[in-house]
Amino acid sequence: GAVVSQHPSWVICKSGTSVKIECRSLDFQATTMFWYRQFPKQSLMLMATSNEGSKATYEQGVEKDKFLINHASLTLSTLTVTSAHPEDSSFYICSAWDGVETQYFGPGTRLLVL
Amino acid sequence: AQSVTQLGSHVSVSEGALVLLRCNYSSSVPPYLFWYVQYPNQGLQLLLKYTSAATLVKGINGFEAEFKKSETSFHLTKPSAHMSDAAEYFCAVSRTGTASKLTFGTGTRLQVTL
Repeated sequence: GAVVSQHPSWVICKSGTSVKIECRSLDFQATTMFWYRQFPKQSLMLMATSNEGSKATYEQGVEKDKFLINHASLTLSTLTVTSAHPEDSSFYICSAWDGVETQYFGPGTRLLVL
Repeated sequence: AQSVTQLGSHVSVSEGALVLLRCNYSSSVPPYLFWYVQYPNQGLQLLLKYTSAATLVKGINGFEAEFKKSETSFHLTKPSAHMSDAAEYFCAVSRTGTASKLTFGTGTRLQVTL
């Protein structure tokens, strides 16, 4: 099946710094990628929809200036958590749409902000 | 609007026993339905999907699900549980024909005992 990678798999940073997470579709082109956030023992919450070459669409309550999304190519989307704080600590998962009917998910990035 | 309800946040079965994870959906348009599995500290892996073809869908690892429109259900089954099946399972729904958002259920944690 289609493969989606994320980098890094985990990151620890100091409060106030910015962190960039990459999401890549390895064997297919993805015009649309999605970014999710998952808290412990909870389901996935969609943060934003990332479309190649255009601005991301953010879900209600998600700060677009804090969570910057860039989808510069058909195989790469990035999520930058700006001025991270401890409450931003979470598991961030991306998915890539295959252009037909299915989203394929990355392995996730665990962020810990100290 | 679309929604998914997963009955039972936690299901425990003995190794070799039948696995039944329940999912009911609500959708105003013909849905696409998905089951994903998540192992600890990992992303989501697609188990199977219904996309308006055969109502009985076979997936990986011996799982299958049946789309029942009259019952608005898409329950996941496996005839014989294996220890390696222990994980979190998510049912999800999306609209047909678009790179639309996935709406996830709250998840069911499957425990397999000896």
